[in-house]
Amino acid sequence: QVQLVQSGAEVKKPGASVKVSCKASGYTFTSYGLHWVRQAPGQSLEYMGRITPHNGDTKYSQEFQGRVTITRDTSATTAYLELSSLRSEDTAVYFCARGVGGGNFDNWGQGTLVTVSS
Amino acid sequence: QTVVTQEPSFSVSPGGTVTLTCGLSSGSVSTDHYPSWYQQTPGQPPRALIYNTNTRSSGVPDRFSGSILGNKAALTITGAQTDDESDYYCVLSMGGGLWVFGGGAKVTVL
Repeated sequence: QVQLVQSGAEVKKPGASVKVSCKASGYTFTSYGLHWVRQAPGQSLEYMGRITPHNGDTKYSQEFQGRVTITRDTSATTAYLELSSLRSEDTAVYFCARGVGGGNFDNWGQGTLVTVSS
Repeated sequence: QTVVTQEPSFSVSPGGTVTLTCGLSSGSVSTDHYPSWYQQTPGQPPRALIYNTNTRSSGVPDRFSGSILGNKAALTITGAQTDDESDYYCVLSMGGGLWVFGGGAKVTVL
């Protein structure tokens, strides 16, 4: 079955960077896009960007341009989200999700809590 | 910057019908935005309900349906059950492979 397993919780200081991983299994990794979505405590979902594992093409939401980098390692069937210049407002649960087209994010990782605190 | 709008809360009686909508701060929602809907309960990742306007995801009961109503996308729950008490998010394609989520709607069944 399709599974997306994310790395564990992180605590970072303001100004630091964080890198979250998303290990995919149960399907052909290069066949579907992987998207990243975050959710601050008590807030709504916020779309960050995506990667096409087949060719490494990336798209980022304007809000995160310049601070976010999404990469992938096809041999490890893993995608990565790196967010730099962290601030307290970046405290959130970060999710990866498989996109199969038409707005269908059909499988999600369990989420990774990133806490930014001095 | 485009804002996707949702009414924040709804209350429905068990067995009743409720319609959630998803609009744009500027312009109309159309099928070109591939409106999609997600259900989320506390502490869980979102679950896909409806994608591409009106296609139900695998395993989703047929009491959930999607449509375009006027200039907005809509999610209708017909015959609401207590299990449907959740947060619901719409998401729209903005082109170029990017998406924007709405602010979410909390549905209470009582």
